[in-house]
Amino acid sequence: DAGVTQSPTHLIKTRGQQVTLRCSPKSGHDTVSWYQQALGQGPQFIFQYYEEEERQRGNFPDRFSGHQFPNYSSELNVNALLLGDSALYLCASSLLTTSSGNTIYFGEGSWLTVV
Amino acid sequence: GESVGLHLPTLSVQEGDNSIINCAYSNSASDYFIWYKQESGKGPQFIIDIRSNMDKRQGQRVTVLLNKTVKHLSLQIAATQPGDSAVYFCAASISSGSARQLTFGSGTQLTVLP
Repeated sequence: DAGVTQSPTHLIKTRGQQVTLRCSPKSGHDTVSWYQQALGQGPQFIFQYYEEEERQRGNFPDRFSGHQFPNYSSELNVNALLLGDSALYLCASSLLTTSSGNTIYFGEGSWLTVV
Repeated sequence: GESVGLHLPTLSVQEGDNSIINCAYSNSASDYFIWYKQESGKGPQFIIDIRSNMDKRQGQRVTVLLNKTVKHLSLQIAATQPGDSAVYFCAASISSGSARQLTFGSGTQLTVLP
């Protein structure tokens, strides 16, 4: 049973460029959330996708956008990259229902460096 | 909203001793809590979770205690091993309709001394 998989693992971009990060959720999960983790800090919620729609959004600008596909996989897009966007981007998957036993699992993340 | 804070940014324990990592949250509406372990260069690894209708839950060598009165939870690791060295995060969540987002603390770096 594959866990949450993310790609690419590392990438370097230049200020002003755009980046796309990809995530495949854990088998059986239908909800994908994205988090940004700056060095030395805890992850911060960006947004969540379910049924191909953005369901909830954290305090991030519109430069951050996403998409969910019919197979539940997801992409995170960041436009007009800033140096401050350098971080580990984490994908988390879960089942939308909040019934007992449905926990939230993370992938290994994509390290983005903006130069 | 919710904010989560850990009491100590670093914790050092002797191998074989028990470790206790503490966490406080601010929003009494938080109803689901998770502890994660994060090793250098890796994503957060699920350790154990607890819902607000419980005050204690045990896993393999780990126990989570939840005190809703003072909005505090702790992670206890029994017989700490060198492989337990990592950053530990607690995360709190409020169910918003059917969606759920996690609010993380800043993490406690656990170092296991030989």
